[in-house]
Amino acid sequence: QVQLVQSGSEVKKPGASVKLSCKASGYTFVSYGMHWVRQAPGERPEWMGWINPASDKTKYSHRFQGRVSITTDTSASIVYMELTSLRSADTGLYYCARASYSNYAEYWGQGTLVTVSS
Amino acid sequence: EIVLTQSPLYLPVIPGEPASISCRSSQSLLHSNADNRLDWYVQKAGQSPQLLIYLGSHRASGVPDRFSGSGSRTDFTLKISRVEAEDVGVYYCMQGLQTPFTFGPGTRVDIK
Repeated sequence: QVQLVQSGSEVKKPGASVKLSCKASGYTFVSYGMHWVRQAPGERPEWMGWINPASDKTKYSHRFQGRVSITTDTSASIVYMELTSLRSADTGLYYCARASYSNYAEYWGQGTLVTVSS
Repeated sequence: EIVLTQSPLYLPVIPGEPASISCRSSQSLLHSNADNRLDWYVQKAGQSPQLLIYLGSHRASGVPDRFSGSGSRTDFTLKISRVEAEDVGVYYCMQGLQTPFTFGPGTRVDIK
């Protein structure tokens, strides 16, 4: 069965960077894209970006102004998301979600809590 | 950026009764291949969002048939034919037509 297992919680200071991982199993890794979605406390989910593991083509939300980078380790079926120049507003749950051919998020990871605090 | 609005934002329901949530888009979500790129998710307390309906009207695997989606272009509806206690949660619509993909504000469904 499809599983997306994300890395553990992180606590970071403002200005630092964080790199989260999402290990996929139960399907052919390069056959599906992967979204990263974050959710601040009490807010709606917010799409951050997407990667096609077969080509490493990426798309990012302009809202992150070049602070986000999504990469893959195809040999290990892992997708990474790095967010730089962290601020307190980046505190929240970060999810990876497998993308269908028409972009809907069919399977979700369990989420990784990132706390940004001085 | 495409903006999604939902109504109502809060929906108290009686078990066994129907429920309906509306999602409206600031732009048509009709793709050139005739798909409507509008999906519905539910997020239950302490859980990740789960896909309910994709491409406007297609029920995701394992989703009970009391859930249905309809609509086209800018107006979409999620219906629950007979609400059960386990349906409590926040329901979001999301557009997958144009990046950045965006979510609606959510509709909280609770048992009356």
